[in-house]
Amino acid sequence: DIVMTQSPDSLAVSLGERATINCKSSQSVLYSSNNKNNLAWYQQKPGQPPNLLIYWASTRESGVPDRFSGSGSGTDFTLTISSLQAEDVAVYYCQQYYSTPYTFGQGTKLDIK
Amino acid sequence: QLQLQESGPGLVKPSETLSLTCTVSGGSISGSSYYWAWIRQPPGKGLEWIGSIYYSGSTSYNPSLKRRVTIYVDTSKNQFSLKLSSVTAADTAIYYCARHASAVAGTGFDYWGQGTPVTVSS
Repeated sequence: DIVMTQSPDSLAVSLGERATINCKSSQSVLYSSNNKNNLAWYQQKPGQPPNLLIYWASTRESGVPDRFSGSGSGTDFTLTISSLQAEDVAVYYCQQYYSTPYTFGQGTKLDIK
Repeated sequence: QLQLQESGPGLVKPSETLSLTCTVSGGSISGSSYYWAWIRQPPGKGLEWIGSIYYSGSTSYNPSLKRRVTIYVDTSKNQFSLKLSSVTAADTAIYYCARHASAVAGTGFDYWGQGTPVTVSS
């Protein structure tokens, strides 16, 4: 199985400031056939299902605000929220879809400082 | 707009079989390049992929649950279902159904149901 490890487990950021969440996979998730990283990011608010934010490591899902961005390749990835808004308080998960079993990171809880 | 809705008992006794169904509306399960998945989340914990099915009936399961899991599809009803046998308290979780594409065309899990809580208790 590919193990996904996020850091930190939790963080608090002031409104309007940048938030950065890291995700590391135990092996590369770069798909050689299309040179894309099979890595997604999700936001989960209390009582709701996860919501897809980013796929292919850096492609924003339709309707996702442009303050959310993803970067990285191979085994190391980052989700950045450029200017934190109150509605961004949530738990964030990375997930690899390179191979089964599909696996998620343990989650990063993001709060307002 | 595609919608997924889970249904099934919210309480299951230990050693019995958990059975859930996901009804898809606003789109067809059949004839598309998408897979249909079950994912669960124990209370206060992270997400675990249980398995996926293609409309043809082809399945892929998480090895950690494979001995106990069956996922099947009913294209006539636009539904897919989960059976998890010999449940224990460790199977208590919110169970989600979701859609995803193949690894080559994949975008992650792009549509989710609202989730249904299942408690295993006598």
